[in-house]
Amino acid sequence: AQTVTQSQPEMSVQEAETVTLSCTYDTSENNYYLFWYKQPPSRQMILVIRQEAYKQQNATENRFSVNFQKAAKSFSLKISDSQLGDTAMYFCAFMKRASGGSNYKLTFGKGTLLTVNP
Amino acid sequence: DTEVTQTPKHLVMGMTNKKSLKCEQHMGHRAMYWYKQKAKKPPELMFVYSYEKLSINESVPSRFSPECPNSSLLNLHLHALQPEDSALYLCASSVTGAMGTEAFFGQGTRLTVV
Repeated sequence: AQTVTQSQPEMSVQEAETVTLSCTYDTSENNYYLFWYKQPPSRQMILVIRQEAYKQQNATENRFSVNFQKAAKSFSLKISDSQLGDTAMYFCAFMKRASGGSNYKLTFGKGTLLTVNP
Repeated sequence: DTEVTQTPKHLVMGMTNKKSLKCEQHMGHRAMYWYKQKAKKPPELMFVYSYEKLSINESVPSRFSPECPNSSLLNLHLHALQPEDSALYLCASSVTGAMGTEAFFGQGTRLTVV
């Protein structure tokens, strides 16, 4: 079985500063995808960034970047120049093939509630 | 149109009621998903439909009955629910169910069972 662990239930950061959210995972698979999703108070889950395990280069999307350490099974999210609109629950997610089928499924960590303070 | 639309946004139902949740997308996606999310918890996968066929059922009780009438529409029929079934029900879709494809989520239906 694979698990996704987010060890920081809550974090806060001042506007314009940088914050890093941690995520570790456990798997015996060699090919998989990792994602960070955010869920603001509006409840809608929004994809922030994704990383394919085969790619050594860390993914970057504007102010969001990851530090992917495959051997350590670590996948942290760095948010630069934090904005008030970044306040949300952030979920790390692991995707692998579902047993007995051709579809893939997401398994989420417990989430980190990030508050950006003015 | 990059939206997944869920209706209703809120639903209160009694334990003897029958109700349905609706999810719609017009992005041409062929995989659709139902997730259940309890307060302050991550979403948990319930069902996956791929090309209108049920692909994954995560051992969900039969009081939850999914239906995919066409490639744009996904329903979740509810019957004889328990108070512990109260949760946010999220629908999502993706281009296919293949590895790495982004899932687009709706805003969810907040269900309360009384």
